[in-house]
Amino acid sequence: SQQGEEDPQALSIQEGENATMNCSYKTSINNLQWYRQNSGRGLVHLILIRSNEREKHSGRLRVTLDTSKKSSSLLITASRAADTASYFCATDAGPGSARQLTFGSGTQLTVLP
Amino acid sequence: DGGITQSPKYLFRKEGQNVTLSCEQNLNHDAMYWYRQDPGQGLRLIYYSQIVNDFQKGDIAEGYSVSREKKESFPLTVTSAQKNPTAFYLCASTRGLVADTQYFGPGTRLTVL
Repeated sequence: SQQGEEDPQALSIQEGENATMNCSYKTSINNLQWYRQNSGRGLVHLILIRSNEREKHSGRLRVTLDTSKKSSSLLITASRAADTASYFCATDAGPGSARQLTFGSGTQLTVLP
Repeated sequence: DGGITQSPKYLFRKEGQNVTLSCEQNLNHDAMYWYRQDPGQGLRLIYYSQIVNDFQKGDIAEGYSVSREKKESFPLTVTSAQKNPTAFYLCASTRGLVADTQYFGPGTRLTVL
C-alpha cells in the first residue's frame, strides 16, 4: 500500500496565484521528499525535509512537515505556467529501512496563463 | 554530463515476448531502482539493488527480472509472465545510505501490441 497520499488530485490556478498541495502518510519516517514530473518525463527532486525539521524553503517552494499529524504541504508561490506538472510526495519507511521510497499518486497542477 | 540514461524511449512488444529495458548511470551511485507508473498513478517499486551482484524485490516484482553485474548498469527484463506490462518505466539511483534523494532517468514507455 502507498505510504503517501496527495490532496487534491488535481488543482487548476491562474498564473501568479499560490498553489498548495498536501501529503498524508501513515507510519514514522526519516524524511519526506517532494518531486515534480512533467508529462512523459522522469521525476525531478524538489526538496527533502527531515523528520526533525518543520519547515524548509527553496526559491518559490515552501515545505512544511507536521509529524504529529503525519502530513506535509508544498506551497508554490507566484506560480508560473511552467510550473504545470504533477507533484509527488515520497516517504521512506522509517528507521532501519532499506533505501526505498514510497510515492503517492500525485497532484496534477495546471497553471493557466 | 552526469546522469541516468534509459533506452529505448519507446518500446513496442508483441504478447509473449521478453524485452529488456536499459538503465545506465555515471553518478557513481550505489543503489538503483526500477519503478512502474500507470496513467494518473504514482510510482510502484519493481526491484532495487543496493550493491553490485545483489538486488531485492519491490512491491510488484512478479513477471520482471533484473541483474546488477556492474555498478553503472541495472537492466530490467519484462517477461511474458507479466500479465499487463504496458506502462511507463522509470529507473532511479541514489548515493546515500538511507532513502535520500533519488535521481531519475527519462523513462521508457512500453506498449504491448
